[in-house]
Amino acid sequence: SQQGEEDPQALSIQEGENATMNCSYKTSINNLQWYRQNSGRGLVHLILIRSNEREKHSGRLRVTLDTSKKSSSLLITASRAADTASYFCATGVVNTDKLIFGTGTRLQVFP
Amino acid sequence: EAGVAQSPRYKIIEKRQSVAFWCNPISGHATLYWYQQILGQGPKLLIQFQNNGVVDDSQLPKDRFSAERLKGVDSTLKIQPAKLEDSAVYLCASSLSGPGANVLTFGAGSRLTVL
Repeated sequence: SQQGEEDPQALSIQEGENATMNCSYKTSINNLQWYRQNSGRGLVHLILIRSNEREKHSGRLRVTLDTSKKSSSLLITASRAADTASYFCATGVVNTDKLIFGTGTRLQVFP
Repeated sequence: EAGVAQSPRYKIIEKRQSVAFWCNPISGHATLYWYQQILGQGPKLLIQFQNNGVVDDSQLPKDRFSAERLKGVDSTLKIQPAKLEDSAVYLCASSLSGPGANVLTFGAGSRLTVL
């Protein structure tokens, strides 16, 4: 079964607005990652946050992690039409080598 | 550096036929993964190799799917016989390290349609 469940399933915003996606997971993790997938393409790694970290930034991306609630959020600030894609969280399951992906959020950014 | 190479990009077969997908990971990446992504869903891990050994194949339908990693480099994923529900994109990914910092680099995927 999928490790992560993402919310919302789909999100439509205007350019310049912020986009927030949430991920919940079930078991203990050693890290949580976010990936982007453009239509018909493979996944691209965006950012990794370790289980002992609470927040991380990379350019217009901000990720938070709350291990007590088993949840994470990805914030994309000042969105652009080029940010249109599906976004997946992926959890590195502790004591294993597994990386398990969530169900994804489809983001549409209108010019 | 060159990315993860996969072939073929597209394949259409009849049910009960067989198909094979090939993956060449990034040079030096010890860990190789095969994921199945059904339309509208997230990738599902099928099998994970560390060098040429299997680390996890718990979700691989072994009655019809098989995979090998030749000499710890290239890998092939085979389906025989194919079923309608095998229609999906098969994604290969590789990484330098295992637990703790397993950042994956993905190939473009092989899209399978079973008629």
